[in-house]
Amino acid sequence: SQTIHQWPATLVQPVGSPLSLECTVEGTSNPNLYWYRQAAGRGLQLLFYSVGIGQISSEVPQNLSASRPQDRQFILSSKKLLLSDSGFYLCAWGGVMGDADTQYFGPGTRLTVL
Amino acid sequence: AQSVTQPDIHITVSEGASLELRCNYSYGATPYLFWYVQSPGQGLQLLLKYFSGDTLVQGIKGFEAEFKRSQSSFNLRKPSVHWSDAAEYFCAVGRSNDYKLSFGAGTTVTVRA
Repeated sequence: SQTIHQWPATLVQPVGSPLSLECTVEGTSNPNLYWYRQAAGRGLQLLFYSVGIGQISSEVPQNLSASRPQDRQFILSSKKLLLSDSGFYLCAWGGVMGDADTQYFGPGTRLTVL
Repeated sequence: AQSVTQPDIHITVSEGASLELRCNYSYGATPYLFWYVQSPGQGLQLLLKYFSGDTLVQGIKGFEAEFKRSQSSFNLRKPSVHWSDAAEYFCAVGRSNDYKLSFGAGTTVTVRA
């Protein structure tokens, strides 16, 4: 069966510091991968998605970037964090043959920027 | 582009009572529809989904949802709520070969004893 991991689970970072959040998926090949953000009291905002290695689509212009160095690895980064980057970051995978449109979510990373 | 509206921000229900969460979507063709649940501090868990066929869909944890094309709705129901159903619920819509979902703003469910 497929599983998705995110780490770290919780992160507190100062303004201006760099960021690296990692997401990995097990048990499937060539998944679509997604990064979402949930700000306090708001819904899910799609940040990036990827349909293959090195293929990244950005949904919202922002202080963040994403990379996919391996088939089942998706990384969210920032060179300098802003206060507004605080939130709950969720990684998701999808695109399984026969169930291509369903997305499955990881446990999330709580990021607090101080 | 498709969009999703969840009219109720917060619902309080007594344990053992029935629950219905509303979801309306906007999309020109037949959409793919989903309901997810999120417990505090957790990721989203898929409850059920509709792609085609029978318009009444059964999901996990005793939930069901009904697709009504004429009303552009996909409401989620549970006959008898348990305290563990307290969570936030998200409706989402997708379209074929797009691989992206549009989420509603969510409905928070509180269960009182």
